[in-house]
Amino acid sequence: DAGVIQSPRHEVTEMGQEVTLRCKPISGHDYLFWYRQTMMRGLELLIYFNNNVPIDDSGMPEDRFSAKMPNASFSTLKIQPSEPRDSAVYFCASSERQGENTGELFFGEGSRLTVL
Amino acid sequence: AQKVTQAQTEISVVEKEDVTLDCVYETRDTTYYLFWYKQPPSGELVFLIRRNSFDEQNEISGRYSWNFQKSTSSFNFTITASQVVDSAVYFCALSEETGNQFYFGTGTSLTVIP
Repeated sequence: DAGVIQSPRHEVTEMGQEVTLRCKPISGHDYLFWYRQTMMRGLELLIYFNNNVPIDDSGMPEDRFSAKMPNASFSTLKIQPSEPRDSAVYFCASSERQGENTGELFFGEGSRLTVL
Repeated sequence: AQKVTQAQTEISVVEKEDVTLDCVYETRDTTYYLFWYKQPPSGELVFLIRRNSFDEQNEISGRYSWNFQKSTSSFNFTITASQVVDSAVYFCALSEETGNQFYFGTGTSLTVIP
């Protein structure tokens, strides 16, 4: 089975532009997570979905960030307008409940965003 | 308060030395899960191990071993006979039964010097 697929792998954009990051979770996984990684703040959870429904978006930094999951196989994270401080690696991850157990997270390769 | 603390920011060892990466967690749940992930220089996050709170048996996988001690809320990771390929950032993580969030530590950057 293919792993979590993210696109684009790299994005360079100018301040003020809209950025859309995409994620395809592992088939059958019912949880999807968006993380941001920076040197200063480490791995931060932005938002996560369960069965396509956003459960906790308290990590979304501000209104410029939005995430959607229109179906079980696709999610987007959008930044509009982008700012230089949004430069980071954005990871998507998915997991499944295994009965009463929490399954491990499977991460995509990340999208490295640079906002000039 | 941090739910997962990795006090060691950076560690350097010479190849073939053993090294232990510390992880201390905090939770009020009786059921929880602990994880270790490896992030090599290429950037991807690779799952290494999952442990649930009811299983305190230590685990060994090749040169890797994990020591889970509920009494000290620790889940330490030891690499025996380290190799250059072990150079990476290692993250410890906690997932509680209540909710499905994963709390990550700040990571320990391990450099193995040939």
